[in-house]
Amino acid sequence: SQKIEQNSEALNIQEGKTATLTCNYTNYSPAYLQWYRQDPGRGPVFLLLIRENEKEKRKERLKVTFDTTLKQSLFHITASQPADSATYLCALNTNAGKSTFGDGTTLTVKP
Amino acid sequence: DAGVIQSPRHEVTEMGQEVTLRCKPISGHNSLFWYRQTMMRGLELLIYFNNNVPIDDSGMPEDRFSAKMPNASFSTLKIQPSEPRDSAVYFCASSERTGWGDQPQHFGDGTRLSIL
Repeated sequence: SQKIEQNSEALNIQEGKTATLTCNYTNYSPAYLQWYRQDPGRGPVFLLLIRENEKEKRKERLKVTFDTTLKQSLFHITASQPADSATYLCALNTNAGKSTFGDGTTLTVKP
Repeated sequence: DAGVIQSPRHEVTEMGQEVTLRCKPISGHNSLFWYRQTMMRGLELLIYFNNNVPIDDSGMPEDRFSAKMPNASFSTLKIQPSEPRDSAVYFCASSERTGWGDQPQHFGDGTRLSIL
């Protein structure tokens, strides 16, 4: 069966460091992979999308990589700030637009 | 843009009662999604619509759940009769078009449902 795993439920880092979150999947061939941020009591907010034929995508302090051979995506936040503290979800999309979400990783950035 | 609007934000009701959750998608968006989020199962897709037509309802847990989209600006998710295990946060999301996996989804802030 299809499975999506995000590394450790919680990740704690010091302000200014780079946070790296992992999304691994099995029995799945996504055409697209998205990353979302979710704050407590709020809905997920879209951050970045990467296509299966793209290796890397950047947006300001965010960087996403997508390795379809390893079946893995890495999500990096450079120069992290306490305001980056949230739960981050990866979502795998088929061409039909149907999304399957991972369980998320809760990031805490300490000042 | 007002974003996706869900109501109510919180609902507490007794087992056996009918529950109706409402969603207003972003104007101009053609696709609408209903999700359920729990600690145990994460964020699960229940059903999605394209141009007001249900496309995939394979995530709807059982016949007690039903969803409608009578027009492009309104959708409902109904649970009848409700059970304690239905307690969760229910999210509605919309995107500009479906059939295209490269569209980001815009989520509402959810309805927190508690069935006693």
